[in-house]
Amino acid sequence: QVQLVQSGTEVKKPGSSVRVSCEVSRDTLREKAISWVRQAPGQGLEWMGGIIPVFERTDYSQKFQGRVTITADDPTSTIYMELTSLTSEDTAVYYCARGGYEEALDHWGQGTLVTVSS
Amino acid sequence: DIVMTQSPDSLAVSLGERATITCKSSQTTLYKSNNMNRLAWYQQKPGHPPKLLIYWASVRESGVPDRFSGSESGTGFTLTISNLQPEDVAVYYCQQYFSMPGTFGQGTRVEI
Repeated sequence: QVQLVQSGTEVKKPGSSVRVSCEVSRDTLREKAISWVRQAPGQGLEWMGGIIPVFERTDYSQKFQGRVTITADDPTSTIYMELTSLTSEDTAVYYCARGGYEEALDHWGQGTLVTVSS
Repeated sequence: DIVMTQSPDSLAVSLGERATITCKSSQTTLYKSNNMNRLAWYQQKPGHPPKLLIYWASVRESGVPDRFSGSESGTGFTLTISNLQPEDVAVYYCQQYFSMPGTFGQGTRVEI
């Protein structure tokens, strides 16, 4: 059974950074791409970026370019998404999902709520 | 970026009836190697992550009931839910995965 397990809720101050983790299986890490998608309260889905760990390739939506970094840690089979210079508009649920890169997103993490508030 | 536009934004359907959602893309999503469109449909229930229903515009994901079907016509795509059940109340999104970023439609809320 494919599982993506994300880290817990975060509360951050404006201007700070947040790092969200997504633990995947070793097979997923070595064979698949992982994408990050966010959803602001009451809003739709927005693809932020993705990584293909085996190729060490990352791609980011232009909207988040320069503020988002996605990395993979092989020993722990964990994917990280770091978002910097947070504002209240970054308050959202952040999901990791398997796929992207010309594949549908077939399995999703449970989501991580990030609240940005002074 | 490819813009995905869904219609309607919401619809109410009686139990056992059919719900039809359309999605239009601003550019082609056709993968020429297999002549299929890189278009997916997702279902999202409150408090839950999205769930993949359909990929390649018309291929049903394993375990998805056959009352869900996807079809296409040019740059337009349709998700049909036949025989609507109470558990189908959700928001439905289309997404193109032809080019980056993999853009989503704005979502369609289906109610009873």
